Amino acid sequence: DTGVSQDPRHKITKRGQNVTFRCDPISEHNRLYWYRQTLGQGPEFLTYFQNEAQLEKSRLLSDRFSAERPKGSFSTLEIQRTEQGDSAMYLCASSAAGRPQVEAFFGQGTRLTVV
Amino acid sequence: QQPVQSPQAVILREGEDAVINCSSSKALYSVHWYRQKHGEAPVFLMILLKGGEQKGHDKISASFNEKKQQSSLYLTASQLSYSGTYFCGTEGDSNYQLIWGAGTKLIIKP
Repeated sequence: DTGVSQDPRHKITKRGQNVTFRCDPISEHNRLYWYRQTLGQGPEFLTYFQNEAQLEKSRLLSDRFSAERPKGSFSTLEIQRTEQGDSAMYLCASSAAGRPQVEAFFGQGTRLTVV
Repeated sequence: QQPVQSPQAVILREGEDAVINCSSSKALYSVHWYRQKHGEAPVFLMILLKGGEQKGHDKISASFNEKKQQSSLYLTASQLSYSGTYFCGTEGDSNYQLIWGAGTKLIIKP
């Protein structure tokens, strides 16, 4: 296993279009997280899955954002009717289950530019 | 709710020491430290649990003061490879998500 992979690495889209990102976590990890990171800031939590169940979703996340993790494997993050403020790096991370949270492994991210 | 990191940026000469602080207004269960280099994903450094433990590897160590809800990351005899932005992530007693600080940018000059 080569780690967490995200696709695409870069996405340029016009305002109002829908975009979908994919994340393939480390295979034995049952926790998967989505974060958004803007320049000069730490990762901002978007949502969290344990297996296929979406257990937490940020209240900051508008209805335009949706995430799925069918069968508890890969995950997709969709942004509908993109706005310029959505431009950011979208990071996916995975970890094994446990309390406290154990080490999370991040993907390289998908950089979204909305023009 | 976001932990506060200080300083925002540090510029050091190779071989000098640095301390990065992370403080929270909420009771913490654990503190996580990651380093992110420009254009790369964050990379795990260490996790500290409540109980006031201290951890370290190589010349990077950290402490966690549960009562003060603070953690500090210590970098001694800094190397050029230590350059990057350091983030602390805090885990509260009642939830499972990490809340990240805004980061501390560390620049090491030869």
